[in-house]
Amino acid sequence: DIQMTQSPSSLSASVGDRVTITCRAIQTIYTYLNWYQQKPGKAPKLLIYAASSLESGVPSRFTGSGSGTDFTLTISSLQPEDFATYYCQQSYSFPLTFGGGTEVELK
Amino acid sequence: EVQLVESGGGLVQPGGSLRLSCAVSGFTFRKFCMHWVRQTPGKGLVWVSRFNRDGSSISYADSVKGRFTISRENAKNTLYLQMNSLRVEDTAVYYCARGGGFYGDDGYFDLWGRGTLVTVSS
Repeated sequence: DIQMTQSPSSLSASVGDRVTITCRAIQTIYTYLNWYQQKPGKAPKLLIYAASSLESGVPSRFTGSGSGTDFTLTISSLQPEDFATYYCQQSYSFPLTFGGGTEVELK
Repeated sequence: EVQLVESGGGLVQPGGSLRLSCAVSGFTFRKFCMHWVRQTPGKGLVWVSRFNRDGSSISYADSVKGRFTISRENAKNTLYLQMNSLRVEDTAVYYCARGGGFYGDDGYFDLWGRGTLVTVSS
């Protein structure tokens, strides 16, 4: 199984801040990396697929980058609705696996 | 409107069985790979199983292999998960999700249901 490690596990930020979340795979997954946002009591929502492709309807302040083993999700200017938990997920091979999540909290 | 609606969750004793359903509307169900993903309360996401559009690719996580069976009924736009020999560690919210990409085969999840809670406890 491909282990995915996210950092940090949580962070505190203010509205307007630039936020960066990293995700590392234990082996190369090329650009088979996806990002989700989850709010309490809700299902996850796809933000980014194939490392850098923005899902339809997702604001452009969300950007994904990286390839191989190291990936980044950046929120350019944090908005009140962005406080949530973010997960990365590899789609290179089965079993599909997720990172442990990064909770973005209000400072 | 696109909808995925799970049902069938509940409280069951260890060793028991449950059958989850996921009723889909708003897109052509038969054209897409579908998945089950679970989330332990307060913890992370774990992929459980997938059934591609024609049944040629069916996969399970090792933790459920031999105990869970995924199936689909395209005429009813419904995905199922038969869960047998349930264990305490199967306790989770179970989501059905549509596979992303042209036939849903790209290994990510572009649409999710709201989930159904399965609690395994004596």
